Amino acid sequence: GQNIDQPTEMTATEGAIVQINCTYQTSGFNGLFWYQQHAGEAPTFLSYNVLDGLEEKGRFSSFLSRSKGYSYLLLKELQMKDSASYLCAVGRDSNYQLIWGAGTKLIIKP
Amino acid sequence: DSGVTQTPKHLITATGQRVTLRCSPRSGDLSVYWYQQSLDQGLQFLIQYYNGEERAKGNILERFSAQQFPDLHSELNLSSLELGDSALYFCASSVGSGSGQETQYFGPGTRLLVL
Repeated sequence: GQNIDQPTEMTATEGAIVQINCTYQTSGFNGLFWYQQHAGEAPTFLSYNVLDGLEEKGRFSSFLSRSKGYSYLLLKELQMKDSASYLCAVGRDSNYQLIWGAGTKLIIKP
Repeated sequence: DSGVTQTPKHLITATGQRVTLRCSPRSGDLSVYWYQQSLDQGLQFLIQYYNGEERAKGNILERFSAQQFPDLHSELNLSSLELGDSALYFCASSVGSGSGQETQYFGPGTRLLVL
């Protein structure tokens, strides 16, 4: 079957670093997406990984290991506005729809 | 602003009624996706259209239907509404047929409340 696992909730401190993990089991793999979603708002695109390794984009970085079915999103210099849910989604080459994780709710404390 | 527009922003209706949600994709995008998100739940994929044709179907109820018009805007029709249909409905668009490599850009959503 198709499955994506993310922690339900994480708490971190303003100014710190946090790593949000995502593991997946899917038939076929065509890339992994990370989205940010503030409560009641639309998901917004953060990153896309299709090759193994780390992609850095400002304060956010995303890592992928295809052999391990594993990805993480790394957020540095946390700000209060980073409090949101972070969604992991996998694209498969056999299907047009993305498989979405349930999301990780990140709470930032001062 | 993603460039995807959705109307209306809010909708309040009664059980048993029918509503239509509308979505306009980003300029140049050919695929439209519809998602449902209930309170504190994940995104549930409903259906995808590509250039006017149905491309993929998710967990869409038989009471729900959608279409994509020649100008590429899409409508999601929800009928015989139940209390459990209360949710945020998002539309997203992508540039091509959605091979699993395409970034989806989301509209602001329509918040539906069924009383």
